[in-house]
Amino acid sequence: EIVMTQSPHSLAVSLGERATINCKSSQSVLYSSNNKNYLAWYQQKAGQPPKLLIYWASTRESGVPDRFRGSGSGTDFTLTISSLQAEDVAVYYCQQYYSSPLTFGGGTKVEIK
Amino acid sequence: QVQLVQSGAEMKKPGSSVKVSCKASGGTFTSYAINWVRQAPGQGLDWMGGIIPIFDTATYAQKFQGRVTITADRSTSTAYMELSSLKFEDTAVYYCAIIGAPPSDYWGQGTLVTVSS
Repeated sequence: EIVMTQSPHSLAVSLGERATINCKSSQSVLYSSNNKNYLAWYQQKAGQPPKLLIYWASTRESGVPDRFRGSGSGTDFTLTISSLQAEDVAVYYCQQYYSSPLTFGGGTKVEIK
Repeated sequence: QVQLVQSGAEMKKPGSSVKVSCKASGGTFTSYAINWVRQAPGQGLDWMGGIIPIFDTATYAQKFQGRVTITADRSTSTAYMELSSLKFEDTAVYYCAIIGAPPSDYWGQGTLVTVSS
């Protein structure tokens, strides 16, 4: 099983400032035959199911604002919110879909400072 | 656009079983893997298992093996998750979801299962 480790557990950022969330996998999720990282980022707001933001580590889902950016490869990944907005308050999860079982990071709670 | 609609909240006693349904519409049911993910109160996301209806074979996370059964009824485009030998710590919101094959990504609204004596 691939273990996903997120940091920090929570962070408070001022409106308009940058938020950075890290995710590390216990083994590489880069598939060499297609050079794709099988890594997704989700946003979950209170009382709602998770919403896909980023897949293939850096591809934004349709409709996701461009202030959300995914980066990284292999075992180390980052989700950056370039200019935090009030509506970005949520818990963010990374997830690998490289192999079964699908596994999620523990989540990072983002709040307004 | 695929929609997943789950059955309603359940209250169960320890040692009993619960069966949650997930009805799909708006897409080809057999084309997707239907997964079950649970979220205990204030906790993260935990994949329980999944099924590809066209193959009718399910895979399970090791921690739930032996207690969970995932099935699919192609005639009604409905997937089911049954969890047995319920414990207090099984209290959680259970989601069905089409995940792991982006950009296809769809979630049900969640079903709260409360285990209480």
